[in-house]
Amino acid sequence: DGGITQSPKYLFRKEGQNVTLSCEQNLNHDAMYWYRQDPGQGLRLIYYSQIVNDFQKGDIAEGYSVSREKKESFPLTVTSAQKNPTAFYLCASSITGTGGRTEAFFGQGTRLTVV
Amino acid sequence: KNQVEQSPQSLIILEGKNCTLQCNYTVSPFSNLRWYKQDTGRGPVSLTIMTFSENTKSNGRYTATLDADTKQSSLHITASQLSDSASYICVVSEGSGYALNFGKGTSLLVTP
Repeated sequence: DGGITQSPKYLFRKEGQNVTLSCEQNLNHDAMYWYRQDPGQGLRLIYYSQIVNDFQKGDIAEGYSVSREKKESFPLTVTSAQKNPTAFYLCASSITGTGGRTEAFFGQGTRLTVV
Repeated sequence: KNQVEQSPQSLIILEGKNCTLQCNYTVSPFSNLRWYKQDTGRGPVSLTIMTFSENTKSNGRYTATLDADTKQSSLHITASQLSDSASYICVVSEGSGYALNFGKGTSLLVTP
């Protein structure tokens, strides 16, 4: 099946530990994104990448890092520098088609809890 | 700054009733506007997409409208069902389409 796969679905981390969230897509999309969602708030952009080996900071990049070594993969590392990492993390990918239609698809999310 | 404002923040309706959700935006240059449905604990799923030249788009019981002049969009849900209970998110793309601007969503609860 084509789509975006995030893993794991639930993740627990001890304070002070780094943890990496996986995001894989087989849609052949150029652009990939990481968002954070907190209760009562909209999605906030952490990082995005428009092409392999290139990525840009979003609105809340502090305490996070990413890599884009392959078109299909865009892992997000939540570092110990992120002071409040407990949240729901969503990965997305998009492709811009004819007429400016941006087709964006989301993964099922990873819920990270710091214990 | 590009912004997407949605209203109401939350809404409770009886099963079978209609409802309309609003989205106002200041994104420029405008590329397209998409409505997503997000069930609790799941990723958003696209309902409709509209470009500048389109002013209405339907997907079953969901009908989206777009007024590019006033920068407003609405999502109308007809004959609501319990399964419509979810968060509805308005997303406006700018420029080439890569930049996505999200609203905070409207939380809809459909009760029996």
